[in-house]
Amino acid sequence: AQSVSQHNHHVILSEAASLELGCNYSYGGTVNLFWYVQYPGQHLQLLLKYFSGDPLVKGIKGFEAEFIKSKFSFNLRKPSVQWSDTAEYFCAVRGNNRLAFGKGNQVVVIP
Amino acid sequence: DAGVIQSPRHEVTEMGQEVTLRCKPISGHDYLFWYRQTMMRGLELLIYFNNNVPIDDSGMPEDRFSAKMPNASFSTLKIQPSEPRDSAVYFCASSRDFYGYTFGSGTRLTVV
Repeated sequence: AQSVSQHNHHVILSEAASLELGCNYSYGGTVNLFWYVQYPGQHLQLLLKYFSGDPLVKGIKGFEAEFIKSKFSFNLRKPSVQWSDTAEYFCAVRGNNRLAFGKGNQVVVIP
Repeated sequence: DAGVIQSPRHEVTEMGQEVTLRCKPISGHDYLFWYRQTMMRGLELLIYFNNNVPIDDSGMPEDRFSAKMPNASFSTLKIQPSEPRDSAVYFCASSRDFYGYTFGSGTRLTVV
């Protein structure tokens, strides 16, 4: 079964700072990769996904992620965060029709 | 499209009572997933169905938990009897194979 690791569970940064959240997974087969965002009190929403092709994926709200197969990583980035980006971010990996989530990164953006 | 619909949004019940959570997937999606979210354990997959058939229930914590999908448009997750440690947010998600998952708004369960 696949597993997903997210580091730095709590991240606090100021508006306009750059954000990078790490995601590493372990799974030997073909994977699909996702980043979800959960705003306070809301359900998970898809930020972006990677199935194949260009390993640099652009998502909504200025987010992007890069798939590096050799490192089993799918890190999420945003060059300049806003207060409204305060949320929890989950990396997810689908393999063998199972979607496994990381523990999440709680991101707080200070105005 | 109304998305994945879960009910109720909030449920407060006493220990020992039966709790039933409901989910209506997106029409045309042939996979349905139940997840549980807690602070301690994050998001855990409980069970998933494909074409109404349970495929993997290895995440169901105990026999007190059961899930059914009697047809393509409805699924239930039942806890009987409920315990305080079952308090969590339960999410339902549906998927049409490789097109990503859509989550419902979740049911926040509190067992007192």
